[in-house]
Amino acid sequence: DSGVTQTPKHLITATGQRVTLRCSPRSGDLSVYWYQQSLDQGLQFLIQYYNGEERAKGNILERFSAQQFPDLHSELNLSSLELGDSALYFCASSVASGALTNYGYTFGSGTRLTVV
Amino acid sequence: DQQVKQNSPSLSVQEGRISILNCDYTNSMFDYFLWYKKYPAEGPTFLISISSIKDKNEDGRFTVFLNKSAKHLSLHIVPSQPGDSAVYFCAAKGPRAGSYQLTFGKGTKLSVIP
Repeated sequence: DSGVTQTPKHLITATGQRVTLRCSPRSGDLSVYWYQQSLDQGLQFLIQYYNGEERAKGNILERFSAQQFPDLHSELNLSSLELGDSALYFCASSVASGALTNYGYTFGSGTRLTVV
Repeated sequence: DQQVKQNSPSLSVQEGRISILNCDYTNSMFDYFLWYKKYPAEGPTFLISISSIKDKNEDGRFTVFLNKSAKHLSLHIVPSQPGDSAVYFCAAKGPRAGSYQLTFGKGTKLSVIP
């Protein structure tokens, strides 16, 4: 158990629908990162939050949004889903200061989204 | 544009021998490099890292080498064990100040044959 909790583990939904993925960071970590891993692709950075505020944005589609709540958990909202959105979505967290230590992030085990 | 490349999708090595996983990058502003290991149905776990000001970092059976002039790094595992069989991701940090996003390669699947 890495300490980063992602729910649900699996999600199957239809095209056009909206889903919410949830992440609870490791205790004491203020930064949360979302990554997408599609088939045969590396992990693509989507977005980072630090203590409730958006810190960096990557290749995140306009149909996707995220937020970090006062209790530091984060949610990734995916709307108007398309078949190509099927992927593994990982959340990661890093140490409270926001600095990247030499061990990088701690990842959760991911949510596998299947759009049918 | 892929800034971090792992050109070998897979690698098979005999138990006890050396495994060498390679990674190339294009952005000279990257200042930190990390290797992650991923087992099926789990998230990636940190393995070893190296700062851009160093050329080698060693941790037990794992050694990472960085060649800045060639924009190349490699992970050596000696001796390789069956439990090392996993997908290995190379990642790079930077260059944007204040953001700690990592840029990942596509991964290399290592199979260690008993």
